[in-house]
Amino acid sequence: DGGITQSPKYLFRKEGQNVTLSCEQNLNHDAMYWYRQDPGQGLRLIYYSQIVNDFQKGDIAEGYSVSREKKESFPLTVTSAQKNPTAFYLCASMERGANEKLFFGSGTQLSVL
Amino acid sequence: GIQVEQSPPDLILQEGANSTLRCNFSDSVNNLQWFHQNPWGQLINLFYIPSGTKQNGRLSATTVATERYSLLYISSSQTTDSGVYFCAVRIAGANNLFFGTGTRLTVIP
Repeated sequence: DGGITQSPKYLFRKEGQNVTLSCEQNLNHDAMYWYRQDPGQGLRLIYYSQIVNDFQKGDIAEGYSVSREKKESFPLTVTSAQKNPTAFYLCASMERGANEKLFFGSGTQLSVL
Repeated sequence: GIQVEQSPPDLILQEGANSTLRCNFSDSVNNLQWFHQNPWGQLINLFYIPSGTKQNGRLSATTVATERYSLLYISSSQTTDSGVYFCAVRIAGANNLFFGTGTRLTVIP
């Protein structure tokens, strides 16, 4: 099955702890994205990557870090510097060509203990 | 930055009714997509429609790029259509999509 897999589905973070959210895709897409969604709100861009070993900050990158060592993988680390991390995190990838459609994983709900 | 406004913010329909959701944007775009987020949070891509009209079953979408708006039509609504509908746009030269705040649709039996 082709798609985007996010794990874990639920994650709890203690004060001062860094946590990493996993995102893997087997769609052979070059571009990958991380979005944050707060209750009742739209999606805001955290980081994106157009190609392996390259990534750019989005609108709300402070307190987050990413890596893109492989085409298939784009993990997001929520650092202790992110003071309000409780949110729903969505990973996406985009196909290129005539129809540049965005596809999403099923999301990770992060909560603070 | 670009402004993306969706209306109405909330919509309640009886099963079988039709509806129109609107997306207005403040700048020229080269990519516009509609998404449905189900009650479990999964986002499904409905349409890639930077211009023109497309139809997929009971859903259709029209984008008038020169007037900076897009419409999503849902006909004969079903309870499974409930959720939040987002439009997202990309301006020329940008690498990412910008999302509107969504329309929350509730279809009651």
